[in-house]
Amino acid sequence: DADVTQTPRNRITKTGKRIMLECSQTKGHDRMYWYRQDPGLGLRLIYYSFDVKDINKGEISDGYSVSRQAQAKFSLSLESAIPNQTALYFCATSDRGGNQPQHFGDGTRLSIL
Amino acid sequence: GQNIDQPTEMTATEGAIVQINCTYQTSGFNGLFWYQQHAGEAPTFLSYNVLDGLEEKGRFSSFLSRSKGYSYLLLKELQMKDSASYLCAFRSTGGFKTIFGAGTRLFVKA
Repeated sequence: DADVTQTPRNRITKTGKRIMLECSQTKGHDRMYWYRQDPGLGLRLIYYSFDVKDINKGEISDGYSVSRQAQAKFSLSLESAIPNQTALYFCATSDRGGNQPQHFGDGTRLSIL
Repeated sequence: GQNIDQPTEMTATEGAIVQINCTYQTSGFNGLFWYQQHAGEAPTFLSYNVLDGLEEKGRFSSFLSRSKGYSYLLLKELQMKDSASYLCAFRSTGGFKTIFGAGTRLFVKA
């Protein structure tokens, strides 16, 4: 079983719809992250959370919200989806410590028509 | 500001050696990571450098020069399965966010 699980893996929806992407992990890590990946732009941080009571905006948080329901669960919402939010979304976790790498889920490919 | 730059694409031959360069600018540096990402898959961790010098791990090695804001990933004895994108990323201090480069797509040809 994957250590970091994202659902759904693929989603096609229409402009204006509310969408939730979910992430759960079995690694026991405190830190969780949401990124989007666009061709030529690399991974950009949307939100991150260092524990259940800690939520922080990343570089591109506008149009997104998150919820850290438990240590193992971190969900990303698009309240009213727009076409330029079409992208590949990754959830990641890491252990405490600046030298700890991030562990990524398999990604959610989201298309907004 | 914070900036990270790496070549968009590289091509190399099976069995050869390839070096992927990365330059970065940041006011607070807390380590540099390399990740491998096959098309349509998740990035996976390859290496971490926080001190100057070369870190060797099997066929892959990573080098860091903090004074020059420069790193490279060296891949030896290239195999077809090494065809992937290689992401350079640094971790900044004061928040411990990780800033990723756009990645270098490596094509390994027979």
